[in-house]
Amino acid sequence: AQSVTQLGSHVSVSEGALVLLRCNYSSSVPPYLFWYVQYPNQGLQLLLKYTTGATLVKGINGFEAEFKKSETSFHLTKPSAHMSDAAEYFCAVSALSGGYNKLIFGAGTRLAVHP
Amino acid sequence: SAVISQKPSRDICQRGTSLTIQCQVDSQVTMMFWYRQQPGQSLTLIATANQGSEATYESGFVIDKFPISRPNLTFSTLTVSNMSPEDSSIYLCSVDWSGRYGYTFGSGTRLTVV
Repeated sequence: AQSVTQLGSHVSVSEGALVLLRCNYSSSVPPYLFWYVQYPNQGLQLLLKYTTGATLVKGINGFEAEFKKSETSFHLTKPSAHMSDAAEYFCAVSALSGGYNKLIFGAGTRLAVHP
Repeated sequence: SAVISQKPSRDICQRGTSLTIQCQVDSQVTMMFWYRQQPGQSLTLIATANQGSEATYESGFVIDKFPISRPNLTFSTLTVSNMSPEDSSIYLCSVDWSGRYGYTFGSGTRLTVV
């Protein structure tokens, strides 16, 4: 069965610093992986996804993630944090179940950005 | 991507009552998904709704508590029945609008049961 583990429920960085949010997955088949962001009192917005092809995936708002099969990881990075990046971030894996694909979410990482 | 309208955006309900949440998509989609996000928690899939058939529920969720309708390819409802304070959560609908893992989410319904 597929699962996702996000290391660190809270991450705090300074504005302009590197953002690194960690995600490890478990999957018996080639995984499809996703990062979503949730701003306060809002729904989820897709940042990026990996399905096939290039293992370095670029997303919106300057975020990118690299699929590393050998490490079963899909960490999210951004070179320079902005105050507006403060939000909850969820890593997810697509799991085939009952003939359809569904998303399995990690516990989430709350990113704080301070001046 | 698809645009999802979810109503109501929030509600405060008395225990023992029921609330029906609506999800409208601006394009036809095969599957619609309903999630629950308890306070400070991640998202948990409640059920998957396929037009023309009964919804498929995840472990721990039952139809009597969370009946779902899917009358056409652009609309679905989730009812939270006989509510208790433990049902206080954000409920979100989602679709795979592209059929290629383009999962899009509604803005959610923030439910408080008192």
